[in-house]
Amino acid sequence: AQTVTQSQPEMSVQEAETVTLSCTYDTSESNYYLFWYKQPPSRQMILVIRQEAYKQQNATENRFSVNFQKAAKSFSLKISDSQLGDTAMYFCAFMKLDLTGTASKLTFGTGTRLQVML
Amino acid sequence: DTEVTQTPKHLVMGMTNKKSLKCEQHMGHRAMYWYKQKAKKPPELMFVYSYEKLSINESVPSRFSPECPNSSLLNLHLHALQPEDSALYLCASSPWGVGYGYTFGSGTRLTVV
Repeated sequence: AQTVTQSQPEMSVQEAETVTLSCTYDTSESNYYLFWYKQPPSRQMILVIRQEAYKQQNATENRFSVNFQKAAKSFSLKISDSQLGDTAMYFCAFMKLDLTGTASKLTFGTGTRLQVML
Repeated sequence: DTEVTQTPKHLVMGMTNKKSLKCEQHMGHRAMYWYKQKAKKPPELMFVYSYEKLSINESVPSRFSPECPNSSLLNLHLHALQPEDSALYLCASSPWGVGYGYTFGSGTRLTVV
């Protein structure tokens, strides 16, 4: 079974500053996918960024980027130029590569609540 | 259409009631999911449907009964729930194939009284 750990329950950052959210995971799989989702007070889970484990290059999406360290099983999210709209719960998630024909299960970490302040 | 629509947004039901949650998507996704999320906790997987067939049941009590009438629609039938079943129920869908992220709905906030 896979486990995903987010060691920072809460974080805060000033508007326009940069913040990094940590995530570690434990798996015996060699091929898998990692995700960051945000859940604002509106409740909807929104995909922020996706990383394929077989790709060494770190994924980026506008102000969001990851630092993927496969050997260390670490997958941190960096948010640059933080905006008030970034205030949300952020979940790190793991999906193993499953070729058996069933849909793949997404396993979430415990979440980090990020508050962006004026 | 790039949305997953869940109805109702809020539901209050008694322990003897029968109710249903509805989820709909028109993105052509062939995998659909039900997750349960308690306050300040991560979502927990309940059921997975692949091509309208139940492929994963995470040992969910039988008072929760999923149904996938067609490729666009997913229902969760509720009967004889307990107060501890109060939670946010999230539906999601994804394209067929590995590694795609899910598209989530906004959820149904369920309160069992």
